[in-house]
Amino acid sequence: DTEVTQTPKHLVMGMTNKKSLKCEQHMGHRAMYWYKQKAKKPPELMFVYSYEKLSINESVPSRFSPECPNSSLLNLHLHALQPEDSALYLCASSQGGRTPYEQYFGPGTRLTVT
Amino acid sequence: AQSVTQPDIHITVSEGASLELRCNYSYGATPYLFWYVQSPGQGLQLLLKYFSGDTLVQGIKGFEAEFKRSQSSFNLRKPSVHWSDAAEYFCAVGAARALTFGSGTRLQVQP
Repeated sequence: DTEVTQTPKHLVMGMTNKKSLKCEQHMGHRAMYWYKQKAKKPPELMFVYSYEKLSINESVPSRFSPECPNSSLLNLHLHALQPEDSALYLCASSQGGRTPYEQYFGPGTRLTVT
Repeated sequence: AQSVTQPDIHITVSEGASLELRCNYSYGATPYLFWYVQSPGQGLQLLLKYFSGDTLVQGIKGFEAEFKRSQSSFNLRKPSVHWSDAAEYFCAVGAARALTFGSGTRLQVQP
């Protein structure tokens, strides 16, 4: 099973709202990722968790707050977002460790900030 | 730092024709290379990967790619394109814990 699931599929939120995106994998992977993808652009890395510890934060604004409750789950907490944060948010997982193994992506959450 | 260039933003081919999508990478060590495909509004699906060994790698959906170190290339090929292959294709290089993606090539398939 190479499935990564993400909920919700679509999310519309106002600039004062607080919401969370969820991601889950059951492949035994120890690295999990959040990417942001704007239309007609490649995914941009936001965060990397390795063995449940935050290992990379690509200078993401603090209105995005990641959390890794356990090795299978990854959350992205959203607060006071801006309209320019509207995008497809992708979660991915991989085996982990220093070797850049292939990443498996979820279907994404389409976020619209109004 | 690593980088990936996909020179073709948009390619149109006829159904049944052969396909080659170009990818050039820049990386100081032995690269870990990947091709992903993305249908509109969907996540990315791994087509194939190259870590080492045989420079011609086979992937899913009839795709293959050839690693050429001398040309820093990892081009994706398919002998006969199907209408369902219409999508965005991303080449990526892996380093440490991150992937660096190219800008993508949009494939259109004409009937």
